[in-house]
Amino acid sequence: QKEVEQDPGPLSVPEGAIVSLNCTYSNSAFQYFMWYRQYSRKGPELLMYTYSSGNKEDGRFTAQVDKSSKYISLFIRDSQPSDSATYLCAMSALDSNYQLIWGAGTKLIIKP
Amino acid sequence: DVKVTQSSRYLVKRTGEKVFLECVQDMDHENMFWYRQDPGLGLRLIYFSYDVKMKEKGDIPEGYSVSREKKERFSLILESASTNQTSMYLCASSPPSDDNEQFFGPGTRLTVL
Repeated sequence: QKEVEQDPGPLSVPEGAIVSLNCTYSNSAFQYFMWYRQYSRKGPELLMYTYSSGNKEDGRFTAQVDKSSKYISLFIRDSQPSDSATYLCAMSALDSNYQLIWGAGTKLIIKP
Repeated sequence: DVKVTQSSRYLVKRTGEKVFLECVQDMDHENMFWYRQDPGLGLRLIYFSYDVKMKEKGDIPEGYSVSREKKERFSLILESASTNQTSMYLCASSPPSDDNEQFFGPGTRLTVL
């Protein structure tokens, strides 16, 4: 079993829909949770970054962490075609020695 | 803007060739990383470096080596390329204060024939 599980998709939704992307994990030591966005033929870029449990909002994006369920989510409101990309979750523990543990990524397609 | 550049976007090599992939960052970051990205497997860490001339193995170092002679430059070397090293290679850097915030280059798509 992988340490971090993420549905690869693709997930296809109409423009304007609310999108929910999710990752589950098995290591209860994870404390830092990141969402990276990767456009086609580009490197990933950090989108959201949270520490421990709770919610974080940035514009149309909300990151949610539920440590009791070992489950993290990224919500995108009012989705746009420009949101079409692969979204990768990543996480790390306090003593991670520089190493992030990555999900495989979910490909998201927003249809105009 | 943080900029991480990689020497090639696409590279085709033959089995047994020695391959050099170079990465340069302009933000004076201490930490640098080499990953490979394969469909369904996500990013896997090959090597990382937290200072000049320092290197640490990641999850899949076999068949690879690295060099960091200058702070801004981190090179990945495939001593004898094999077909199972066909992949997307991504370089990243991060500041010493936070290795969770990594800045990536555009990637090099390497094909080994």
